[in-house]
Amino acid sequence: DSGVTQTPKHLITATGQRVTLRCSPRSGDLSVYWYQQSLDQGLQFLIQYYNGEERAKGNILERFSAQQFPDLHSELNLSSLELGDSALYFCASSPYDRTQYFGPGTRLTVL
Amino acid sequence: SQKIEQNSEALNIQEGKTATLTCNYTNYSPAYLQWYRQDPGRGPVFLLLIRENEKEKRKERLKVTFDTTLKQSLFHITASQPADSATYLCALGVGTDKLIFGTGTRLQVFP
Repeated sequence: DSGVTQTPKHLITATGQRVTLRCSPRSGDLSVYWYQQSLDQGLQFLIQYYNGEERAKGNILERFSAQQFPDLHSELNLSSLELGDSALYFCASSPYDRTQYFGPGTRLTVL
Repeated sequence: SQKIEQNSEALNIQEGKTATLTCNYTNYSPAYLQWYRQDPGRGPVFLLLIRENEKEKRKERLKVTFDTTLKQSLFHITASQPADSATYLCALGVGTDKLIFGTGTRLQVFP
């Protein structure tokens, strides 16, 4: 158990819908990262937050947005969902030493 | 273009042998490199971090080398066991704590 929690575990929704994925980092970790993992793309970095502020952006679509709240939990919002958005979404948190601790992931299926 | 390459095909080895996985990269100048283990449907688990000024790092049966001239890292598991069967991901540390992941190599250890 990494200490990072993600909810929900599974999410099934339809094209065009909007969903919110939630992540609680390990106690004391200020950095939160979001990744998307699909079969043909591997683990793709989406976005990083540090203590509430956006720190780095990767291949995140404009339909996706994220934020980190004062209690350090983070949410990833995915809107106007398409079939190709079906994937595993991971959140990771990191202390100062750059090690990333990954959560169990949310499996999103868009029908 | 920037690329991270890991053996795309699965690596099959016999129990007790040493497994060697390769990570090659182009057009990156990473400050550090990490290796993670990922089991099916689960989040990656951190194994080792090696910095650009370090040639080799060891942890129990694991050894990582980092050659910034060749732009290559080798990951060794000695005395491999069936429980070591998993996908192993290398990740380059670039920018501000951002990780770029390779697509991973699937290792299968047979008894």
